Amino acid sequence: QQQVKQSPQSLIVQKGGISIINCAYENTAFDYFPWYQQFPGKGPALLIAIRPDVSEKKEGRFTISFNKSAKQFSLHIMDSQPGDSATYFCAASKGQGGKLIFGQGTELSVKP
Amino acid sequence: NAGVMQNPRHLVRRRGQEARLRCSPMKGHSHVYWYRQLPEEGLKFMVYLQKENIIDESGMPKERFSAEFPKEGPSILRIQQVVRGDSAAYFCASSPDRGEPQHFGDGTRLSIL
Repeated sequence: QQQVKQSPQSLIVQKGGISIINCAYENTAFDYFPWYQQFPGKGPALLIAIRPDVSEKKEGRFTISFNKSAKQFSLHIMDSQPGDSATYFCAASKGQGGKLIFGQGTELSVKP
Repeated sequence: NAGVMQNPRHLVRRRGQEARLRCSPMKGHSHVYWYRQLPEEGLKFMVYLQKENIIDESGMPKERFSAEFPKEGPSILRIQQVVRGDSAAYFCASSPDRGEPQHFGDGTRLSIL
């Protein structure tokens, strides 16, 4: 059973634009929602994470928006750069140290 | 500070052989997680271990797969009698405590001939 659904599967954005990736979850027990960035041949790297007691968290050009009632959260990348081209995964867990349930990933390509 | 170290980076095995994947967590981390990534798919949780203990193995296949994290040395993911469907990237993550974020290694790419 797919517990975290991620969209779109792929995304092309022009340099300087805003990249938006969406995730929806089913299990209301989830209380930790990280985003990971993965480059080819590398492991996922933690970008930013949020807990459901806040609706938004911003770190540099990366922002997570969280809608608890809709069970949805999204990643916004402002002023997207070619170096941001990577695969992005959302995830969810019960507790920060619990097993992570990943979305299926979004392949982002930022065109110069 | 060294990150999570996984070896080998690439492993080729023939059907029926055994595969051993190793993971050395970050210094000071005593919690290890293993995930599997099939082509074009996200990561799937396999097992969560703390030193000498298996905490959660709900994602481990019932047969042929085992994991350990001894008091000394790296964590080992062992796959016996490998089959073609075991071909995947296997990632290890570690954290210093149960309530801390997980940091991933660069994975072992397992290919079965």
